[in-house]
Amino acid sequence: GAVVSQHPSWVICKSGTSVKIECRSLDFQATTMFWYRQFPKQSLMLMATSNEGSKATYEQGVEKDKFLINHASLTLSTLTVTSAHPEDSSFYICSARDPGGPGTQYFGPGTRLLVL
Amino acid sequence: TQLLEQSPQFLSIQEGENLTVYCNSSSVFSSLQWYRQEPGEGPVLLVTVVTGGEVKKLKRLTFQFGDARKDSSLHITAAQPGDTGLYLCAGARTNAGKSTFGDGTTLTVKP
Repeated sequence: GAVVSQHPSWVICKSGTSVKIECRSLDFQATTMFWYRQFPKQSLMLMATSNEGSKATYEQGVEKDKFLINHASLTLSTLTVTSAHPEDSSFYICSARDPGGPGTQYFGPGTRLLVL
Repeated sequence: TQLLEQSPQFLSIQEGENLTVYCNSSSVFSSLQWYRQEPGEGPVLLVTVVTGGEVKKLKRLTFQFGDARKDSSLHITAAQPGDTGLYLCAGARTNAGKSTFGDGTTLTVKP
């Protein structure tokens, strides 16, 4: 299967700082990537759809000014959590859509964010 | 809103038992995926089904897509502790759009 990497795998930061998470598709080009948030023992919650070369599409209730998404190339999307607060602590996962597959997404390993 | 209802939500069984997880919707999907996720990791793709009535097998796992492409099931035969994890189904209405995820089934297989 296709490989998607995420960096960093975990991060601890102070309240008020910004954190950038990178998502890379390693062996295919992805025009569309997705960012999810996951709470313990729950399913994935879609935050936004990242489109290469255009603005991201955010889900209802997700603050676009707080969660900045940039998809500058066909293999890289970044999520920046600005002015992070303890309630932003969570597991963030990205995925890349297989351009040749029927709706299949390949997921990164996730980033654990802890805001103190 | 496209809902994908997954059941059961939690399942705890003994090693060697069989189990079935269901994913149901009132919406038609062009494809449906099943993923398995372990704690602290991202979901791993198990299978994609696209044709109504399609059955796919992956060792002890059998996946079925409903004839109307609105529902799917995952059957595990002779479950092993290594099968423990969160199983997620996801339906895509188009090949380019976002997917709808079920709430997940947390499976625990006791040795």
